[in-house]
Amino acid sequence: GAVVSQHPSWVICKSGTSVKIECRSLDFQATTMFWYRQFPKQSLMLMATSNEGSKATYEQGVEKDKFLINHASLTLSTLTVTSAHPEDSSFYICSADSWGSLNTEAFFGQGTRLTVV
Amino acid sequence: AQSVTQLGSHVSVSEGALVLLRCNYSSSVPPYLFWYVQYPNQGLQLLLKYTSAATLVKGINGFEAEFKKSETSFHLTKPSAHMSDAAEYFCAVSGRRGSSNTGKLIFGQGTTLQVKP
Repeated sequence: GAVVSQHPSWVICKSGTSVKIECRSLDFQATTMFWYRQFPKQSLMLMATSNEGSKATYEQGVEKDKFLINHASLTLSTLTVTSAHPEDSSFYICSADSWGSLNTEAFFGQGTRLTVV
Repeated sequence: AQSVTQLGSHVSVSEGALVLLRCNYSSSVPPYLFWYVQYPNQGLQLLLKYTSAATLVKGINGFEAEFKKSETSFHLTKPSAHMSDAAEYFCAVSGRRGSSNTGKLIFGQGTTLQVKP
């Protein structure tokens, strides 16, 4: 399968600071990227869908001003958690898809564990 | 709209016993269905997927699942459990290639599989 690299794999930040998470498709052009969040002992919840060159579409209940998503190229999407607070501590996972391909699945990054102290 | 229900948040089996993890889905469009496994503090690993070819799908590590449209089910089985199978398992649904839900996964709540020696 295709390779999606997510960086960093873990990060600890102070409350009130911002954190950027990168999601890169290494061997294909990702026209669409998805961002999920997973709280401890819970399932993955879709946060937003980003298409290259356009604004992200956020799921209901996700604050777009707090979770800034940029998908400026076909191989890179970033999620910035602005003014992070302890309740934002979670596991964030991206996946990448390619419209027009024969793929039947999106490919996941390794995830980023964010801890806000 | 799409949704997934995993019956049983926790399943415990003895080593060597049959593993059965239940998943029922709801979808207004023909679905793709997936099973993922997640080990502690790690990302997702795809076990298998149904994409409208054979209804009995074989995956990695001896797992298989059968798509039953009449029952809207996609249960995961393995004939003989190994200790290494202990993990969290997620069933997920997406739309087929070309639909508006392509690549966007809706996850079930997850099932924790415990394997006893």
